[in-house]
Amino acid sequence: AQRVTQPEKLLSVFKGAPVELKCNYSYSGSPELFWYVQYSRQRLQLLLRHISRESIKGFTADLNKGETSFHLKKPFAQEEDSAMYYCALSDTGGFKTIFGAGTRLFVKA
Amino acid sequence: KAGVTQTPRYLIKTRGQQVTLSCSPISGHRSVSWYQQTPGQGLQFLFEYFSETQRNKGNFPGRFSGRQFSNSRSEMNVSTLELGDSALYLCASSLVASGATDTQYFGPGTRLTVL
Repeated sequence: AQRVTQPEKLLSVFKGAPVELKCNYSYSGSPELFWYVQYSRQRLQLLLRHISRESIKGFTADLNKGETSFHLKKPFAQEEDSAMYYCALSDTGGFKTIFGAGTRLFVKA
Repeated sequence: KAGVTQTPRYLIKTRGQQVTLSCSPISGHRSVSWYQQTPGQGLQFLFEYFSETQRNKGNFPGRFSGRQFSNSRSEMNVSTLELGDSALYLCASSLVASGATDTQYFGPGTRLTVL
């Protein structure tokens, strides 16, 4: 079964501290993996996708096929990073996207 | 370009009624996906349309249906509403698919409350 698991509902860190949002997936095949972010009063938007291997707003995510994980990391959290983060998986054809339950990140001053 | 628009933004219905929600994708986008967002279940995939054809469907009862028109605008319909259908319904559009090389752009959502 296709599944995306985000074990933490809430993650609270201090400004300047490293942050890691965990994501594990279950998929029989080669999935496409994404992180989406929703800032307060804004629409859900794509943060990054694994195929691009890019860093967006200081965030990176590495796909670990052995551990079936796609954790999101940032070395120094900023207050403006406070938001809801969703890990998502798309099937090979891209016709269906499965989202995790989301992790609310709160960065304290 | 104008973003994804959804109408109406808010709806209040009673149990047993039916409801139709509308989504207008970004100009040029042909793929439209629908999601149900609730505090308990998070974002759950409902269905995806491309060129008026449903390509995939999530695990929802047959009361949930949708369609896409030739101009790529999409509607979803929920019949015989239940209290548990109260949710934020999100629509997302992309050029051809929601896969690796394509980006889904989300609308603001329609907040449905069933009393």
